[in-house]
Amino acid sequence: EDQVTQSPEALRLQEGESSSLNCSYTVSGLRGLFWYRQDPGKGPEFLFTLYSAGEEKEKERLKATLTKKESFLHITAPKPEDSATYLCAVQATGSSNTGKLIFGQGTTLQVKP
Amino acid sequence: SAVISQKPSRDICQRGTSLTIQCQVDSQVTMMFWYRQQPGQSLTLIATANQGSEATYESGFVIDKFPISRPNLTFSTLTVSNMSPEDSSIYLCSVDATAGSYTFGSGTRLTVV
Repeated sequence: EDQVTQSPEALRLQEGESSSLNCSYTVSGLRGLFWYRQDPGKGPEFLFTLYSAGEEKEKERLKATLTKKESFLHITAPKPEDSATYLCAVQATGSSNTGKLIFGQGTTLQVKP
Repeated sequence: SAVISQKPSRDICQRGTSLTIQCQVDSQVTMMFWYRQQPGQSLTLIATANQGSEATYESGFVIDKFPISRPNLTFSTLTVSNMSPEDSSIYLCSVDATAGSYTFGSGTRLTVV
């Protein structure tokens, strides 16, 4: 069964304290791995798509990496405005629905000034 | 990327009634997706709506409970029928308007009393 597990569930950082969020996945075949940011009361906001092991993508203070079993979202020198829930999702090649995303439960990040 | 307008943003409904949620996209898209986000849970795909054909439902979701319409390439509705408190969730629509990413609406927060 295709599955996504994110850790930790919650993370509290001081402003400027770098850290990483983990997304472990089990899929029959990976079509793509997605990272989203979700603020309270809003829909998920797209951050990155990764397709193959070794791939990396960056956006401001965020960097996403991918291996064959997990992805990391590295946050460098975070600011309070980076506080949000970060969601990881996978798209499996074996799925009959090519558009289906399977989500993890998310990591809620709080950055204190 | 596509811009999605989802209505209503929130509602409080009596058990046994139905609520129809609307999703309007600012560009034509092939597939539209409906997700549910229960309190403290990850996003789960309810169904996929293609214009001109019946919606495809995921395991555990049925058409009688969640009827979907897709009258054209920019609009879809999801109805939550015969509601119970267990239906209290955030309902989100999503589209694959840009290659490699999926855009989400802002969600409908439903409370059933």
